[in-house]
Amino acid sequence: NAGVTQTPKFQVLKTGQSMTLQCAQDMNHNSMYWYRQDPGMGLRLIYYSASEGTTDKGEVPNGYNVSRLNKREFSLRLESAAPSQTSVYFCASSEFRLIYEQYFGPGTRLTVT
Amino acid sequence: AQKVTQAQTEISVVEKEDVTLDCVYETRDTTYYLFWYKQPPSGELVFLIRRNSFDEQNEISGRYSWNFQKSTSSFNFTITASQVVDSAVYFCALSEADGGSQGNLIFGKGTKLSVKP
Repeated sequence: NAGVTQTPKFQVLKTGQSMTLQCAQDMNHNSMYWYRQDPGMGLRLIYYSASEGTTDKGEVPNGYNVSRLNKREFSLRLESAAPSQTSVYFCASSEFRLIYEQYFGPGTRLTVT
Repeated sequence: AQKVTQAQTEISVVEKEDVTLDCVYETRDTTYYLFWYKQPPSGELVFLIRRNSFDEQNEISGRYSWNFQKSTSSFNFTITASQVVDSAVYFCALSEADGGSQGNLIFGKGTKLSVKP
């Protein structure tokens, strides 16, 4: 089992460019999440999908969109990247929301210049 | 409101010392879950333990142990005989069964542990 995989691992964007971060899990989990991690801020939830077919905003959703493509895949899109979106992005999944532990992908380091 | 406080920003110990990482939480819910995660220098987040609010038994796993005390709203993590490989940032996290005011898992800011040889 690969667990949670994310692509790409690193990305540099210019301000205004768009991109999609991909995430997939092979644990048959129902819930998936996108976080960003910034120095001194800890982990902050961007969006989550409690189950296939649903998505909801987290703490910091502005500037992002998500798609739960199927049970395995949950993508995060930056439509018009800004320097404030420079961060490390983590995807995670859990069997169900709230009760069970989350398993994290290796992260994507994104720099917006 | 949900909140997790890890007051120790950084701790430095010498190998073989015992070290305790503190975690204090706030919640109004009676049913909640507490977690610890480890983030080594390589960057990935590794799940360590989950505890529910009805289970106050302490847990030991090898050199790791966890002390859950509802009376003080604390869920502290102790590493016995620390090793260099324990160097990492450790996060405590909380979720409320009804989703709470923030709807999901809330992380503390983390404690960076450095274990020197």
